[in-house]
Amino acid sequence: EPEVTQTPSHQVTQMGQEVILRCVPISNHLYFYWYRQILGQKVEFLVSFYNNEISEKSEIFDDQFSVERPDGSNFTLKIRSTKLEDSAMYFCASIGQGGYTEAFFGQGTRLTVV
Amino acid sequence: GQNIDQPTEMTATEGAIVQINCTYQTSGFNGLFWYQQHAGEAPTFLSYNVLDGLEEKGRFSSFLSRSKGYSYLLLKELQMKDSASYLCAVRNSGGYQKVTFGTGTKLQVIP
Repeated sequence: EPEVTQTPSHQVTQMGQEVILRCVPISNHLYFYWYRQILGQKVEFLVSFYNNEISEKSEIFDDQFSVERPDGSNFTLKIRSTKLEDSAMYFCASIGQGGYTEAFFGQGTRLTVV
Repeated sequence: GQNIDQPTEMTATEGAIVQINCTYQTSGFNGLFWYQQHAGEAPTFLSYNVLDGLEEKGRFSSFLSRSKGYSYLLLKELQMKDSASYLCAVRNSGGYQKVTFGTGTKLQVIP
């Protein structure tokens, strides 16, 4: 069964440092997303990416965040200068073409900013 | 914009049936998902409704009424492993297919 893979599974970083979270979506999918979930809270939309550009972003996705699909397979989320409140689980998801398709989620990266 | 409402917590007994409701308001609708999420893990897909009616999949069923902006997830023959959060999520009808999640319902199954 196809799956979305994310690396690393857990990242600890110092406040102010840059982090890059990596995702490999399902190969023939067209729509890519990043979500985050702060411990005990809801899954929050960050950004969607389609046709090699950002299609929509939330208020959370400020100038500290960026996304890239550098080589046609990887999909990365960069946080330039991490803050304590960036500590969360970050989930990558992808959706294929067609009406009846679920959003496939990766297993998540737990980011801890200290 | 979108607004998705679910109860925060529910408790049910092993072997029983539980119904988790979800109401939504959205400017464009292209389907509703139910996901299960165990603590510290990624959401896992349970069901997807895009037309009105009931979709049954084993012990799990999901219902949708688009005119009422309402869905429910029905879990039968509850097992202890069903203790988890259940997330209702709505997919936009726009070109970018954004999926927006509700706050989730934390279900506790007790013996």
